[in-house]
Amino acid sequence: KNEVEQSPQNLTAQEGEFITINCSYSVGISALHWLQQHPGGGIVSLFMLSSGKKKHGRLIATINIQEKHSSLHITASHPRDSAVYICAVWAGSYQLTFGKGTKLSVIP
Amino acid sequence: KAGVTQTPRYLIKTRGQQVTLSCSPISGHRSVSWYQQTPGQGLQFLFEYFSETQRNKGNFPGRFSGRQFSNSRSEMNVSTLELGDSALYLCASSGDSKVETQYFGPGTRLLVL
Repeated sequence: KNEVEQSPQNLTAQEGEFITINCSYSVGISALHWLQQHPGGGIVSLFMLSSGKKKHGRLIATINIQEKHSSLHITASHPRDSAVYICAVWAGSYQLTFGKGTKLSVIP
Repeated sequence: KAGVTQTPRYLIKTRGQQVTLSCSPISGHRSVSWYQQTPGQGLQFLFEYFSETQRNKGNFPGRFSGRQFSNSRSEMNVSTLELGDSALYLCASSGDSKVETQYFGPGTRLLVL
């Protein structure tokens, strides 16, 4: 059974801080998603990656396939980054397995 | 391109009733996946359809079913509702769900009383 673990569960940061959210999984995967969910429920896919590193604006995602680990970094955090960040993996079938999410609050 | 749409957005039902939720994918997308999100369990996969065929099903009882139409629109049905079925139901579409970015709809929030 594929387990996806995220840490931390909750994170409070001051505006401008550098933030890291971690995701570990237990089986081989085809790819990993980082998702963002704002209050109200809408989910946006931030990144999908299967190796290396991707960058979009202030967001950076990295993955280490051998260590079964991925990180999401937010540079110069802003209150609008406040959301739940969810890691999800494709593990060979037509379904995503999700972590429990990290709730991020960025305080002005 | 219009995004993924879901109807209705909110729904209140009583135990024992049944409910049908609808999802219209992004134009050209043939894969639709359904997920249930609850505070206790987080996001869980329900099922996935591609070109009217169910390709995978999550670990949910048979009361949860779905289908996909030739225009790729999808419906999911929950029969004999239980209190524990109260959740946010999300659908997501992609060209082909295998290792491809999924685009999520806004969700249908179901409350079972």
